[in-house]
Amino acid sequence: AQSVTQPDIHITVSEGASLELRCNYSYGATPYLFWYVQSPGQGLQLLLKYFSGDTLVQGIKGFEAEFKRSQSSFNLRKPSVHWSDAAEYFCAVGDSGGSYIPTFGRGTSLIVHP
Amino acid sequence: GAVVSQHPSRVICKSGTSVKIECRSLDFQATTMFWYRQFPKKSLMLMATSNEGSKATYEQGVEKDKFLINHASLTLSTLTVTSAHPEDSSFYICSARVSGTGEVGYTFGSGTRLTVV
Repeated sequence: AQSVTQPDIHITVSEGASLELRCNYSYGATPYLFWYVQSPGQGLQLLLKYFSGDTLVQGIKGFEAEFKRSQSSFNLRKPSVHWSDAAEYFCAVGDSGGSYIPTFGRGTSLIVHP
Repeated sequence: GAVVSQHPSRVICKSGTSVKIECRSLDFQATTMFWYRQFPKKSLMLMATSNEGSKATYEQGVEKDKFLINHASLTLSTLTVTSAHPEDSSFYICSARVSGTGEVGYTFGSGTRLTVV
């Protein structure tokens, strides 16, 4: 069964600093990988996704993520964080061989200090 | 892009009553929709998968008689929480599978905050 680990429950950064949110997955084949962002009391918005091809994926709002098969990781990065980026971030892995239903990590809460 | 509209955004109901949550795909046909439950500071827990015109598939541990799911059309899925109790209070989110050329994605509703008093 597929699984996702987001080892950091909270991350605190200063506005303008760079950001990296960690995500490790467990899946037998090449997975579908997603990053979603959730603002308080809201649904989830897709930031980016990886299906195949270039392992460095560009997303919305200046985010990018890199798929590293050797490390089973799909870390999310942003070079300069804005206060509006404060939210909950979820990494998810989808079953590329069948149902495609995403399995979510527990989420990382991003706190941005002015 | 594919948009899913979920209503209501928040609802308060009395213990023992039933509540219906609607999830509509606005600009595409959603043959498959998913219902999630999110506890505070927790990840999303998949409750069930609904396919248009057939019975929903429930995840282990989810009471199908309490959480009734109907997917009668290609644009509407509903979740009814029957005989609600305070422990059913939670944030419920629907999602629709969106298929494109060689890709699969998921778009989410904005969620429903259910409070049972």
